[in-house]
Amino acid sequence: NAGVTQTPKFRVLKTGQSMTLLCAQDMNHEYMYWYRQDPGMGLRLIHYSVGEGTTAKGEVPDGYNVSRLKKQNFLLGLESAAPSQTSVYFCASSYSAGGVGYTFGSGTRLTVV
Amino acid sequence: KNEVEQSPQNLTAQEGEFITINCSYSVGISALHWLQQHPGGGIVSLFMLSSGKKKHGRLIATINIQEKHSSLHITASHPRDSAVYICAVRSEVGNQFYFGTGTSLTVIP
Repeated sequence: NAGVTQTPKFRVLKTGQSMTLLCAQDMNHEYMYWYRQDPGMGLRLIHYSVGEGTTAKGEVPDGYNVSRLKKQNFLLGLESAAPSQTSVYFCASSYSAGGVGYTFGSGTRLTVV
Repeated sequence: KNEVEQSPQNLTAQEGEFITINCSYSVGISALHWLQQHPGGGIVSLFMLSSGKKKHGRLIATINIQEKHSSLHITASHPRDSAVYICAVRSEVGNQFYFGTGTSLTVIP
């Protein structure tokens, strides 16, 4: 089925550990996004990409890095995890800047202890 | 500051009721999205609007660009409509999406 696939779905990290979240889409979308969702707050944009080989900072980029080496994949890295990064992470993609075809992954629940 | 405000935050309705969820925003936008997040956590895009009105089944979304306001209506609500409904706007400047905190809807049989 066409869509956005996120891996892993759940992860527990110790403070200071690193990890990479993978987002893959098979819809040939140009735009890809990483968001975090915290209780009582709306989704917040971490980083985004407007095409292969490009990335840009969103609203809350500190502590995260991203790469988009292939059009279909958008990786989110945590170099040194902190408890403040405990959250649910969503990847999304869209065909256009306005969000045509806006499709979300199923989310990754990350706990940093 | 919240660029997107939704009301109400929580809503409980009896099955069959007509439901309205409101969204107001403070930035110039190129598009507005209504999203649905089910208890399992997955998020689905319901509508993308830049003007006027769209209808899909029992769901209707309207937008008034001048008033910076959008509404999502659900006719003949059903328990399976129970979810969190999120309003998101795509700002005219930059590549930012701003999200409301969501409206949690519970439809009781």
